[in-house]
Amino acid sequence: QVQLQESGPGLVKPSETLSLTCTVSGGSISSYYWSWIRQPPGKGLEWIGYIYYSGSTNYNPSLKSRVTISVDTSKNQFSLKLNSVTAADTAVFYCARTIRRYHYYMDVWGKGTTVTVSS
Amino acid sequence: DIQMTQSPSSLSASVGDRVTITCRASQSISSSLNWYQQKPGKAPNLLIYAASSLQSGVPSRFSGSGSGTDFTLTISSLQPEDFATYYCQQSHITITFGQGTRLDIK
Repeated sequence: QVQLQESGPGLVKPSETLSLTCTVSGGSISSYYWSWIRQPPGKGLEWIGYIYYSGSTNYNPSLKSRVTISVDTSKNQFSLKLNSVTAADTAVFYCARTIRRYHYYMDVWGKGTTVTVSS
Repeated sequence: DIQMTQSPSSLSASVGDRVTITCRASQSISSSLNWYQQKPGKAPNLLIYAASSLQSGVPSRFSGSGSGTDFTLTISSLQPEDFATYYCQQSHITITFGQGTRLDIK
């Protein structure tokens, strides 16, 4: 079955850019939407944005100015860039397959990767 | 933005209990409401989509109902593995989650 794996640096300095990649295995990235979601320590879930395999995107309005999500179908991967990070961006970051069927829901999730913003 | 408010924020229950968690949207979201279960240190797991559709592989003791602004997740008979945090999520306008409901053992 489809599996997702997040990868990237676990430590990012304030004001720099956080970069993560999600690798999709066991299935094709085509014909689906793909989301990034984060969870600060001890807090709830926050949707960051999604990308369609064709490249169209939709972002959380509260993060839109700092977020870029991209897709590489040849590698079956999609990526997240979050710039100008602060300590408030410290979180576990999840990637998830997103189903669009009149509305959107996330049916397959990666295990998550912890990113700490600190100097 | 559509705000999602879950109640209660936490509750204690016993194995075998019937439990209901409520999620209220700040405006009508039709049936664009999903429920997830998250255990400590793990990724969320989809339980219910489109307000009342049971995700494949999820036990039938989980059920969802509602439309418009008010939704419920019901667990008909709590099992030990059901103690976790539950989140609702809307996608009527962008995507937002509720703050979560922590369910622990009484």
